[in-house]
Amino acid sequence: AQTVTQSQPEMSVQEAETVTLSCTYDTSESNYYLFWYKQPPSRQMILVIRQEAYKQQNATENRFSVNFQKAAKSFSLKISDSQLGDTAMYFCAFRNQGGKLIFGQGTELSVKP
Amino acid sequence: GAVVSQHPSRVICKSGTSVKIECRSLDFQATTMFWYRQFPKQSLMLMATSNEGSKATYEQGVEKDKFLINHASLTLSTLTVTSAHPEDSSFYICSAGGTTNEKLFFGSGTQLSVL
Repeated sequence: AQTVTQSQPEMSVQEAETVTLSCTYDTSESNYYLFWYKQPPSRQMILVIRQEAYKQQNATENRFSVNFQKAAKSFSLKISDSQLGDTAMYFCAFRNQGGKLIFGQGTELSVKP
Repeated sequence: GAVVSQHPSRVICKSGTSVKIECRSLDFQATTMFWYRQFPKQSLMLMATSNEGSKATYEQGVEKDKFLINHASLTLSTLTVTSAHPEDSSFYICSAGGTTNEKLFFGSGTQLSVL
């Protein structure tokens, strides 16, 4: 079975600091997509960043970047210069070749002033 | 970016009644739509996958007779919770996308409360 594991239920970071959220996954597929989604208190799911498994280069989106280690099946999210608006639930997700999006348990991030 | 509209955002119903939730892709054709359920402080649990013009595929443990899914067009999928009970109270979210290498876009969710 394909699984996604986020081992950090909660994390906190000071404003302007950097924080890394961990994610590991398990699959036997070679082609797939990985995502980080943010869910603020409004509960709207917001795509943060996306990585294609066949690309070796780590994806970046402004203050957000990933460390994708395919052999280790690890996909961590780094948030630089953390802002109060980054406070939210963060979900790591894996999209398999069948199209299903499978989510990890989530990490609740609090950015403190 | 693409927009997925989900209605209603909140519904309160009596036990035993049925509730229909709509998910529309407003500016693209969604060949596949997914329905998720989320309990407070928990992750999104995939309930079923609906493909336009065919029967939905349900995840293990999801009652297909309780959660009826219809995907009659490329822009609309509906989830009907039949004979709702208090344990069906939850946050339901739909997502829509095209082929597997594309992003999925999410509706804003529906909070269902069954009294």
